[in-house]
Amino acid sequence: DTAVSQTPKYLVTQMGNDKSIKCEQNLGHDTMYWYKQDSKKFLKIMFSYNNKELIINETVPNRFSPKSPDKAHLNLHINSLELGDSAVYFCASSQEGAIMNTEAFFGQGTRLTVV
Amino acid sequence: LAKTTQPISMDSYEGQEVNITCSHNNIATNDYITWYQQFPSQGPRFIIQGYKTKVTNEVASLFIPADRKSSTLSLPRVSLSDTAVYYCLVAEAAGNKLTFGGGTRVLVKP
Repeated sequence: DTAVSQTPKYLVTQMGNDKSIKCEQNLGHDTMYWYKQDSKKFLKIMFSYNNKELIINETVPNRFSPKSPDKAHLNLHINSLELGDSAVYFCASSQEGAIMNTEAFFGQGTRLTVV
Repeated sequence: LAKTTQPISMDSYEGQEVNITCSHNNIATNDYITWYQQFPSQGPRFIIQGYKTKVTNEVASLFIPADRKSSTLSLPRVSLSDTAVYYCLVAEAAGNKLTFGGGTRVLVKP
């Protein structure tokens, strides 16, 4: 069974469109994250939710809106997509809410290409 | 913010020990140091985590000096399958922020 699964794996879309990426974890973890990895492989955290509550919200355009219907799911919705949004987006989860002493489990990533 | 700096790449040969050093000069008292491994087209995978001195598990060792301004990930007897990007991560207690380094691309040659 996949621990952290995200869909779709690949997403190609035109500028201006709105798209969503879904993430689910079956590990029973309390905290979920969204990361963005750019073409230079830099990994940056975007959001973190603990028990459906937002605890980290980095400097991300408000076109990006995370939604957590329950603690096993954290979806990422992106409005008005831009070319610069092209990247690989990773969902992750961890057991503890205090993230400094915990192991995070990552999904396989969603490669978003905006054309 | 505890910015991390690590070498861009390292080459090694099968059976050798690989040591990757990460600098984190501004690490705060309650911050932890974590290392992740990432293969192409996969998400990062946890390797090891430590706070001070030395931590060892079945895949790696992590050495942290007393001042904690750097850390060294040691991979014993690497194999071809250890070719990957290794990220140094400082998990900052203040503000619950995670800071990844730029990653070190390790290439293990036959």
